[in-house]
Amino acid sequence: EAGVAQSPRYKIIEKRQSVAFWCNPISGHATLYWYQQILGQGPKLLIQFQNNGVVDDSQLPKDRFSAERLKGVDSTLKIQPAKLEDSAVYLCASSSTGQWNNSPLHFGNGTRLTVT
Amino acid sequence: GQQVMQIPQYQHVQEGEDFTTYCNSSTTLSNIQWYKQRPGGHPVFLIQLVKSGEVKKQKRLTFQFGEAKKNSSLHITATQTTDVGTYFCAGKIYGGSQGNLIFGKGTKLSVKP
Repeated sequence: EAGVAQSPRYKIIEKRQSVAFWCNPISGHATLYWYQQILGQGPKLLIQFQNNGVVDDSQLPKDRFSAERLKGVDSTLKIQPAKLEDSAVYLCASSSTGQWNNSPLHFGNGTRLTVT
Repeated sequence: GQQVMQIPQYQHVQEGEDFTTYCNSSTTLSNIQWYKQRPGGHPVFLIQLVKSGEVKKQKRLTFQFGEAKKNSSLHITATQTTDVGTYFCAGKIYGGSQGNLIFGKGTKLSVKP
């Protein structure tokens, strides 16, 4: 099966600019996640979707971050305006079952964001 | 807040030596998952442990889940250069959604040939 697709692979922007990331999960996976991975740390959940509904966005900095999954398939994550501390790898992941199941996460290759 | 602590942060071994990374949670976990991230890559699922005291093996890798479901370990026997990468544990808190996996900071393993 095709894996989780993400684009772009790399992005460099100046602080206060905006940026958007795109993710297409594995076909048929109902659950989609966006994680932020700062260098030297483990992934931190930003938002979780179940189909096109938000399950958990408690750690999403909503004053600058937004995400949508309008048709329950692909998703976009936006940052506006970006800050220096947003420099990180943004990982998209999907899983095959609902929020209460234990199915593993399948990660994409991520987008490495550098804010200067 | 809820945390999953992982030690050591780094481990350098000679090829053929054994390696162990430990994961500890401040709260009881419903399950724990282990992921491997190669340099420049993304986390890849290795295994999931659900039962108290569970032990699972994958070739040279042995995974354990503590009796109290608050700690776990990954042991690699006779490391090879292909084992290089960062190993993350990720614990699911009881009552939390699947996305509410709390990742440890990882143990970065380097293997000298």
